[in-house]
Amino acid sequence: DQQVKQNSPSLSVQEGRISILNCDYTNSMFDYFLWYKKYPAEGPTFLISISSIKDKNEDGRFTVFLNKSAKHLSLHIVPSQPGDSAVYFCAATLLSNFGNEKLTFGTGTRLTIIP
Amino acid sequence: GAVVSQHPSRVICKSGTSVKIECRSLDFQATTMFWYRQFPKQSLMLMATSNEGSKATYEQGVEKDKFLINHASLTLSTLTVTSAHPEDSSFYICSARVYSGNTIYFGEGSWLTVV
Repeated sequence: DQQVKQNSPSLSVQEGRISILNCDYTNSMFDYFLWYKKYPAEGPTFLISISSIKDKNEDGRFTVFLNKSAKHLSLHIVPSQPGDSAVYFCAATLLSNFGNEKLTFGTGTRLTIIP
Repeated sequence: GAVVSQHPSRVICKSGTSVKIECRSLDFQATTMFWYRQFPKQSLMLMATSNEGSKATYEQGVEKDKFLINHASLTLSTLTVTSAHPEDSSFYICSARVYSGNTIYFGEGSWLTVV
C-alpha cells in the first residue's frame, strides 16, 4: 500500500520557468510533510517542509503548498535552475509521535531543467 | 555542514561476509535513528527504527538476524549486514531528528556492493 504517491516519474522544465512537483497521500494522520532532493549515490538533502496546520511555506525559490482536504501537496521551484536537476522525493510523517518519526516516501520525480 | 554522518560511503565485500555501516549524529544526541535502503530507481524504504539502549524495531519483511542494528550510544547507530549476498547490494541511508527543530536529517548514505 503506497501511502505517499508521486505520480509523475519525470518532469522536464525550461530554465527560468516554474517547476511544479506533485505528491498525494492517503493517510490522514500524517501531520508533517517534507521535500528532499537527491542526487545519485548521495543521501537525500532536505529542501523544505510544512506542518499540517499550514497550507503554504516558502523558502527562497522553493514553496510548498498543502491541500489537506485533497491530501495533496506540491513543490514549486521558481525560477528553475540547471542545478535543480535531481530526483525529488516527498515524504510524510507523524511528527507528533516523538521517537517514531519514520518517514514514508513517495517514489520520486526526476526533474530535468533544460538550459 | 552535515549533522548526520555515515561511514563508509562506499564498501565492496565478498558474498558471505559481514559489513558494518556507522551512522553518527554530530553535535546532537539522537535517541532514535532510522535506517533506509534504496534500490536503483526506487523509493527509499524504511528498514528499521534504531532506539538507543533497546532493541531496534524492524519493518515487515526485513530480516532482523540479517540486518543487525546496534544503537549503543546517543550519537552512534550501526547497521551490520551479515552473511551478505549480492541481492543485498543497495544504498543504505540513516536519518535522525534534531529535536531543536522539526527537521529530519539524513546521512550521506553508504553504497554497498556485494560481489
